Amino acid sequence: DQQVKQNSPSLSVQEGRISILNCDYTNSMFDYFLWYKKYPAEGPTFLISISSIKDKNEDGRFTVFLNKSAKHLSLHIVPSQPGDSAVYFCAASANTDKLIFGTGTRLQVFP
Amino acid sequence: GAVVSQHPSWVICKSGTSVKIECRSLDFQATTMFWYRQFPKQSLMLMATSNEGSKATYEQGVEKDKFLINHASLTLSTLTVTSAHPEDSSFYICSAETGTSYNEQFFGPGTRLTVL
Repeated sequence: DQQVKQNSPSLSVQEGRISILNCDYTNSMFDYFLWYKKYPAEGPTFLISISSIKDKNEDGRFTVFLNKSAKHLSLHIVPSQPGDSAVYFCAASANTDKLIFGTGTRLQVFP
Repeated sequence: GAVVSQHPSWVICKSGTSVKIECRSLDFQATTMFWYRQFPKQSLMLMATSNEGSKATYEQGVEKDKFLINHASLTLSTLTVTSAHPEDSSFYICSAETGTSYNEQFFGPGTRLTVL
């Protein structure tokens, strides 16, 4: 049973536009959500996180939105840059327990 | 969808003993598997990349003689923590790449290791 789902395996966005990556979860006990970015042949690196007590967290070009009622979170990247091309994983945890990862979305930003 | 399992899900051992953790891709063949260690505040450290039939590639700072990795088949990789010490207590997570055009990566549920 996939508790964290990223239903879009890939996304293509033009440089300068907004990239929106989506993530859905099923476990209502999750209280902390994270986004990781992964380049080929490297491990995922932490990007941004959000606690369940918030509905938005912003860090530069990256904003994460959390909709608890819909059990949905999204990562917005604006403006998108070619260097943003990577695989993005969302992850969730409950009570600082282990991370549960989604399956990833490959973002490609083209000129 | 593809599933990656880890066994055991949790283990408690005495200091000085060795612990083996298995990572299996249940419905796909994974030529490449990764082993991570989860640190506080959910940071994730890549320990090594495991390729079937060849030696694992370890990240800088990871002791290859302490963390033995064996990728014996296209569906199984094992991580053995040798002579475990309390500071090795952590979550260990594996992931496996499908090798398809999207080369999706699926994460296992993690193994909690507690060394007494």
